[in-house]
Amino acid sequence: AQSVTQLDSQVPVFEEAPVELRCNYSSSVSVYLFWYVQYPNQGLQLLLKYLSGSTLVESINGFEAEFNKSQTSFHLRKPSVHISDTAEYFCAVSGVRGSTLGRLYFGRGTQLTVWP
Amino acid sequence: DVKVTQSSRYLVKRTGEKVFLECVQDMDHENMFWYRQDPGLGLRLIYFSYDVKMKEKGDIPEGYSVSREKKERFSLILESASTNQTSMYLCASSKMGSSGNTIYFGEGSWLTVV
Repeated sequence: AQSVTQLDSQVPVFEEAPVELRCNYSSSVSVYLFWYVQYPNQGLQLLLKYLSGSTLVESINGFEAEFNKSQTSFHLRKPSVHISDTAEYFCAVSGVRGSTLGRLYFGRGTQLTVWP
Repeated sequence: DVKVTQSSRYLVKRTGEKVFLECVQDMDHENMFWYRQDPGLGLRLIYFSYDVKMKEKGDIPEGYSVSREKKERFSLILESASTNQTSMYLCASSKMGSSGNTIYFGEGSWLTVV
């Protein structure tokens, strides 16, 4: 089975500052990795995912994450945050084999709060 | 766009009541999931289904059951609601195949059991 640890439950930052949300995973098999974002009173939306190939993946709104196999990490970064980035962010992992049927294992979430 | 619709956004039920949470997706996805979200605990999988009339237990199935009579619809049932089932419930769906397929979520159902 897989598991995910999000090292910070809350991350407060000022607008235009850089931010890093940390995620480590544990798995005995190869994995796919995901970041989801949840805005207040909404469901989760996919932010970005790593399946294979380049270890650096980017989203359309300026976030990026880097898969580091040796450190079993998939940290999320943004060089300059906006107030609209305030949300809860979830890291998730799934195995690459069909037996998991697309099942995701989630971390406990990191609340990012951007202050003006 | 994929749409996962949860019929009830907010419900208040009494202890012991039978509760139905309905979820419908419009993209012909084979896989459907029910998660529970609690502060500080993230999302925990209750049940999932990869085909009509098929179901698999997730990590916290106790106190819940599910029904999938049609491909597009996946229902979560609380046979006898208890206060510790007060939570946000999220339905999701994805296409069968590679585990890398995106899972799409509904907007959630807030259930309060009093």
